[in-house]
Amino acid sequence: QQPVQSPQAVILREGEDAVINCSSSKALYSVHWYRQKHGEAPVFLMILLKGGEQKGHEKISASFNEKKQQSSLYLTASQLSYSGTYFCGTQQSGGSNYKLTFGKGTLLTVNP
Amino acid sequence: EPEVTQTPSHQVTQMGQEVILRCVPISNHLYFYWYRQILGQKVEFLVSFYNNEISEKSEIFDDQFSVERPDGSNFTLKIRSTKLEDSAMYFCASSYAGGNQPQHFGDGTRLSIL
Repeated sequence: QQPVQSPQAVILREGEDAVINCSSSKALYSVHWYRQKHGEAPVFLMILLKGGEQKGHEKISASFNEKKQQSSLYLTASQLSYSGTYFCGTQQSGGSNYKLTFGKGTLLTVNP
Repeated sequence: EPEVTQTPSHQVTQMGQEVILRCVPISNHLYFYWYRQILGQKVEFLVSFYNNEISEKSEIFDDQFSVERPDGSNFTLKIRSTKLEDSAMYFCASSYAGGNQPQHFGDGTRLSIL
């Protein structure tokens, strides 16, 4: 079951904040966040495991709401380098320990 | 920092031909994966490989596809009788373990079928 990401695209000015959501209709075991720049490989950002934890990576953090089966990625004080497509990859509870099922991505553009 | 390396970076092949995409996973990783991404679309899981056998495969990974770890370092994806719709970016990834461990992606091989 493919996770649903929102919004599909967002445009920011440098220094602004953004939130990207990743929702699933199935119970999740983990959510993996990646950023992909055009023509490059997805770069791992962080993993959220069920339990509602929040993690941080520089000015990028994420949370996992187990009740809603939703993860949110928070980008604060955005920089030009944050531009790219953000994908969440999910693993379902009781499902595969291996494959990641990716959402369609959120295109983030940060302008000067 | 160790990384996953893939060769070639771009492969152009005539329809019907066989291609082999190569990957060198991170050296202490035990789980290996192939994903593909058709231009402008999401990343799709193809197959995972652990302990010298396929641990899971998707519907996409039919008899046309096969994977192999021919030695202690390489991990290959073979596509037989290529079709136009096989044109995509193919990413290899590896992780130390399954589940809660990050999967690290290589830079990909762009496969173009003519």
